[in-house]
Amino acid sequence: DIVMTQSPDSLPVSLGERATISCKSSQSVFYSSNNKNHLAWYQHKPGQPPKLLIYWASTRESGVPDRFSGSGSGTDFTLTISSLQAEDVAVYYCQQYYSTPYTFGQGTKLEIK
Amino acid sequence: QVQLQESGPGLVKPSQTLSLTCTVSGGSINSGDYFWSWIRQPPGRGLEWIGYIYYSGSTYYRPSLKSRSTISMDTSKNQFSLKLSSVTAADTAVYYCARVSAFSSGGHDSWGQGTLVTVSS
Repeated sequence: DIVMTQSPDSLPVSLGERATISCKSSQSVFYSSNNKNHLAWYQHKPGQPPKLLIYWASTRESGVPDRFSGSGSGTDFTLTISSLQAEDVAVYYCQQYYSTPYTFGQGTKLEIK
Repeated sequence: QVQLQESGPGLVKPSQTLSLTCTVSGGSINSGDYFWSWIRQPPGRGLEWIGYIYYSGSTYYRPSLKSRSTISMDTSKNQFSLKLSSVTAADTAVYYCARVSAFSSGGHDSWGQGTLVTVSS
């Protein structure tokens, strides 16, 4: 199985400031046949299902605010929120879909400082 | 817009079989564009992918759960289901059904609200 490791586990950020979450995979999730990184990011708020934010490591899902961006390739990825809003408080997960079983990171809890 | 809704018992006794159904509306599960997944989240823990089914009926399961898991689909009802046998307290979790785009994104782009299943006598 591909192990996904996120850091930090908890991230306090002031409103309006930048938030950066790291995700590392135990092996590359870059698929040369389609030239894409098979990596997604989700936002999970209490009492709600997870919401897909980013796929192919850097493509924003329709309707996701442009303050959310994804970057990285191979084994190292980053989710950045450029200017934290109160509604962004949530747990964020990365997930690889390069191979089954699909695996998630352990989650990063983003909170207001 | 596709919508997914889980249903099933909220309480299951140890050693029995957990059975959940996901009803899909606004789109057909009989489409080669998507896989249909089950994912769970134990209390206080992260997300764990259980497995998926494709419109052809092919399935893939998380190896650690494979011996106890069965995912099936009923295209006439536009539903897919999860059965997990010989449950223990460790299977207590919120269970989600979700749609996976097979080609355009690869991510789980639509989710049910989730249903809490507690394993207890």
